[in-house]
Amino acid sequence: ETGVTQTPRHLVMGMTNKKSLKCEQHLGHNAMYWYKQSAKKPLELMFVYNFKEQTENNSVPSRFSPECPNSSHLFLHLHTLQPEDSALYLCASSQERGLAGGIQRGANVLTFGAGSRLTVL
Amino acid sequence: QQQVKQSPQSLIVQKGGISIINCAYENTAFDYFPWYQQFPGKGPALLIAIRPDVSEKKEGRFTISFNKSAKQFSLHIMDSQPGDSATYFCAASGGTSGTYKYIFGTGTRLKVLA
Repeated sequence: ETGVTQTPRHLVMGMTNKKSLKCEQHLGHNAMYWYKQSAKKPLELMFVYNFKEQTENNSVPSRFSPECPNSSHLFLHLHTLQPEDSALYLCASSQERGLAGGIQRGANVLTFGAGSRLTVL
Repeated sequence: QQQVKQSPQSLIVQKGGISIINCAYENTAFDYFPWYQQFPGKGPALLIAIRPDVSEKKEGRFTISFNKSAKQFSLHIMDSQPGDSATYFCAASGGTSGTYKYIFGTGTRLKVLA
């Protein structure tokens, strides 16, 4: 196990359903991420939380709603999804090492969970 | 300018052979280039990474070759084994893309035949 746990591993939902994906990290990291993985496409960054504050929303549709109650937990709330939203959703965490006045660039190592496979009917 | 182009899309190699996966980038501000390995049913895991101040980094059977002037980097897997069969992603980060925003390639599905 990587120390990043995602549940559920598989989810099938209709377009009118509301569901949530959960991610928990046991690594003591201070940053958490949601990525979308679709076949033959690069991993798409969706959201970034740093010290529980959302620092990135990569133009994600409002039918995806993230929540980060603390540095160890991250949720992705799903509602009125479309079939094209079917994909593997990956959670990741990292330890951001801050320098005075900034954050060390490109230095973090992403630790991924195993993903939640979402199918929207 | 934010893309990372990866090739080939899939690769089949005989056991003991050399697997080579290539990536190219445009943004010269990128300063960190990791490779991630993903097995079926698992999330990607960091395999090896390089910074542009060196031209090569080797860890066991895995080597990254980096050509700063050509803005290209590649992963070489020596003595490829069936256990290396996985999907490999290159990535780049740094510069204006954000301190922790990785740009990933599209992935290469490697199959090593026994």
